[in-house]
Amino acid sequence: QSVLTQPPSVSAAPGQKVTISCSGSNSNIDGNYVSWYQQLPGTAPKLLIYENDKRPSGIPDRFSGSKSDTSATLGITGLQTGDEADYYCGTWDSSLSDYVFGTGTKVTVL
Amino acid sequence: QVQLVESGGGEVQPGRSLRLSCAASGFTFSNYAMHWVRQAPGKGLEWVAVVWYDGTDKYYADSVKGRFTISRDNSKNTLYLQMNSLRADDTSVYYCGRDRGVTGDHGMDVWGQGTTVTVSS
Repeated sequence: QSVLTQPPSVSAAPGQKVTISCSGSNSNIDGNYVSWYQQLPGTAPKLLIYENDKRPSGIPDRFSGSKSDTSATLGITGLQTGDEADYYCGTWDSSLSDYVFGTGTKVTVL
Repeated sequence: QVQLVESGGGEVQPGRSLRLSCAASGFTFSNYAMHWVRQAPGKGLEWVAVVWYDGTDKYYADSVKGRFTISRDNSKNTLYLQMNSLRADDTSVYYCGRDRGVTGDHGMDVWGQGTTVTVSS
């Protein structure tokens, strides 16, 4: 049972925008950096966002991250078919002394 | 280039042991904390363990505590996961991941391709 809750799925047409929420608590999201990972089918996860809202080099600015209190959000604009993947949030939990992942969200491009 | 390559996976009977390795290249291994993360078939990501950059601190998920041991050899640029008393629910693809920091709380920016562990009689 993950301590970070995400919607199971989101979908939108090509070119549209989707947002994925990640709900946690005071011991994890509120007080620690949130990262977002993209996992394309059959591949290893890839870092999309780190330190709540920063993008690694090579990640397009269509991807954005934000955090407020005990929740974080990933936004994807200009949706492309290549964005179809599973997305996970992740952060350190100071009470558990564990790194925790969200439940995962499947993005479908209609 | 920056790379992590896992090895050591395979099929093993319940109760037996297995040791996974993760060879790092293209960066100064001793400057980063390192994680193991697993993914059971059709399931989400599950964090397994982390070791600090210098090996002084280690943390484990409750599901593996007391059975798995994470370690590193900075002279060999290699991360390990010793898995004992394996159970069927340990069946997963195991990934190693580099943390962006030294203490394991900054997120994973480099991932290996994964190695598959199957626990079955």
